[in-house]
Amino acid sequence: SQTIHQWPATLVQPVGSPLSLECTVEGTSNPNLYWYRQAAGRGLQLLFYSVGIGQISSEVPQNLSASRPQDRQFILSSKKLLLSDSGFYLCAWSTGGLQPQHFGDGTRLSIL
Amino acid sequence: GEDVEQSLFLSVREGDSSVINCTYTDSSSTYLYWYKQEPGAGLQLLTYIFSNMDMKQDQRLTVLLNKKDKHLSLRIADTQTGDSAIYFCAENENNNDMRFGAGTRLTVKP
Repeated sequence: SQTIHQWPATLVQPVGSPLSLECTVEGTSNPNLYWYRQAAGRGLQLLFYSVGIGQISSEVPQNLSASRPQDRQFILSSKKLLLSDSGFYLCAWSTGGLQPQHFGDGTRLSIL
Repeated sequence: GEDVEQSLFLSVREGDSSVINCTYTDSSSTYLYWYKQEPGAGLQLLTYIFSNMDMKQDQRLTVLLNKKDKHLSLRIADTQTGDSAIYFCAENENNNDMRFGAGTRLTVKP
């Protein structure tokens, strides 16, 4: 069966520091991969998605970037974090088409 | 505003039925989904319905779709305290454009 892993589960970082969040999927090949941010009490905002290695689409202009160095690995990065980057970050995968997305357990990012 | 709208809160007594409502705006949406999020966790897919269906039942869950009114509902029968969570409605026209509501926080009182 397919599984998705995100780490770390929680992260506290100072303003201006770099960021790297990792997401990996097991049990499937060539998945579509997604990064979302969830602000407190809000819905999900799609940040990036990828349909293949090295293919990244950005949905909103921001202080973040994404990379997909391997088929089942998706990384969310920042060179210098802002206070507004605080939130709950969720990675998801799907097999494409109209199949549902499946989510990881999320990373709670707090910026001090 | 949100393309997908939900009321933010719902409170029910244990054993009662819960009905969570959702309206969406994209008439070309092909799939509609319900996800459950427990505190500090990711989203768990509960069920989804294809737009040519009116109803889907899965154990205690019943999804009703009124395509004319663009209204989707999730009914949880015999609600338990473990059902307390945030429930998200989502629509999907193509898989890279999945839109979520803000979520309905369901509180189940004993």
